[in-house]
Amino acid sequence: AQSVAQPEDQVNVAEGNPLTVKCTYSVSGNPYLFWYVQYPNRGLQFLLKYITGDNLVKGSYGFEAEFNKSQTSFHLKKPSALVSDSALYFCAVRDIGSSNTGKLIFGQGTTLQVKP
Amino acid sequence: DVKVTQSSRYLVKRTGEKVFLECVQDMDHENMFWYRQDPGLGLRLIYFSYDVKMKEKGDIPEGYSVSREKKERFSLILESASTNQTSMYLCASSSRLAGVSNEQYFGPGTRLTVT
Repeated sequence: AQSVAQPEDQVNVAEGNPLTVKCTYSVSGNPYLFWYVQYPNRGLQFLLKYITGDNLVKGSYGFEAEFNKSQTSFHLKKPSALVSDSALYFCAVRDIGSSNTGKLIFGQGTTLQVKP
Repeated sequence: DVKVTQSSRYLVKRTGEKVFLECVQDMDHENMFWYRQDPGLGLRLIYFSYDVKMKEKGDIPEGYSVSREKKERFSLILESASTNQTSMYLCASSSRLAGVSNEQYFGPGTRLTVT
């Protein structure tokens, strides 16, 4: 069965420091991987995706994520955190071997708190 | 600019009422989804649709039904609202074209309170 795990409920970092939000996945075939961000009382916004190719993927707002097949991970990173990055972050996966219904499996979410 | 809209941002209903949540997308997407979001539980898929008049149950369909009469519109129906259906409801859509990476685009959400 497909699954996604975000092992940390909350991540706290100081403004200007690098941040990492962790995600691991389990699929039977090769994955499509996604990160979304949700600001308070808003819908989810797409940040970035890994489909194939370069393991380091760059996305919106200076975020990037590294696909690691051997560790089945797709951690979200940013070199220098901003207070405005404080939000709820979701990792999601789709097995590209599955039918093209577009279903994604979402992790439980990680709250990122960036302090001034 | 891609857009998914939901009929209400906030909704308060009484137990036993029939509730309609509407979602419209303007991207000509084939796939549409309804999720509910609760603290600590992440996003849980209620129903999805991959074509007009087609629907499939997600992980938590009990107490809900859906309707997709037109490609751009996907409705979630609570036949008889209960207090345990108080939640944030999120609609999303994605393309079904071959070779497209299928990221989902989300609406702003409807916060439903059932009293």
